Amino acid sequence: KQEVTQIPAALSVPEGENLVLNCSFTDSAIYNLQWFRQDPGKGLTSLLLIQSSQREQTSGRLNASLDKSSGRSTLYIAASQPGDSATYLCGVSGSRLTFGEGTQLTVNP
Amino acid sequence: GAGVSQTPSNKVTEKGKYVELRCDPISGHTALYWYRQSLGQGPEFLIYFQGTGAADDSGLPNDRFFAVRPEGSVSTLKIQRTERGDSAVYLCASSLSDGAFEAFFGQGTRLTVV
Repeated sequence: KQEVTQIPAALSVPEGENLVLNCSFTDSAIYNLQWFRQDPGKGLTSLLLIQSSQREQTSGRLNASLDKSSGRSTLYIAASQPGDSATYLCGVSGSRLTFGEGTQLTVNP
Repeated sequence: GAGVSQTPSNKVTEKGKYVELRCDPISGHTALYWYRQSLGQGPEFLIYFQGTGAADDSGLPNDRFFAVRPEGSVSTLKIQRTERGDSAVYLCASSLSDGAFEAFFGQGTRLTVV
C-alpha cells in the first residue's frame, strides 16, 4: 500500500525567500507524481506533473524534482510571494493518486 | 466542459438522511475519481471509475456509500443514513485515461451532517 509523507507540515517564511517542500513515498512503482496547491475552502489546482521517467519539471518560479528509486520528490519555490500562501499537496499516482497530508505555507509580507 | 464541475458546492443535511453529490468531469475523460477530505488532512481515496465501471472501490468506508457513472460521464456519489462523521469535503477528479495522465479536480462539495 502506497504511503506518502510530506515534510514540513507547516512553514512560515518572509517574502522573497526560496523554499523547499519535501514529499516521500514508499512504493516506487508509480506512473507519475503531481504537486497541487489548495487554497482554503477550494479544490486542488495542479501545479506540476512529473512522469516516472522524468527527473524534474519547471513552471515559472516552481521546480519539482523526482527521485523514484529513493521515493522522494521536492518542490522548490523561488522568490516566494504572499500569494503563494496555500497548502501544497503531493499526489503519487499508481492506479490512483495517493496523497500526503500537505504542507501549509505562509509567506509573510 | 472547461473543468470538473461539482454540485452542490455546499450541502447541509440532518443525521440519517440520504444525500447525492454530483460530479461532471472534463469532456472526454474516461477516468473519474472520488476523494474525501477532512479538515487539515490530505484527500482520501474513495472510488475510481474507468468508463461506466468501478475499477477500484476499495476506499468506500462502508455500505452506506455508493457511486454510479451510468453513461461514463457524470457520476453521483450517494450516501445513505448519513452520520455526523460523514461531514467532510468530497472531491471529484478526472483524467484522460488512467493514473498515467494528469488529474484535474473540481472545487468540491462541502457536506455537513447536523
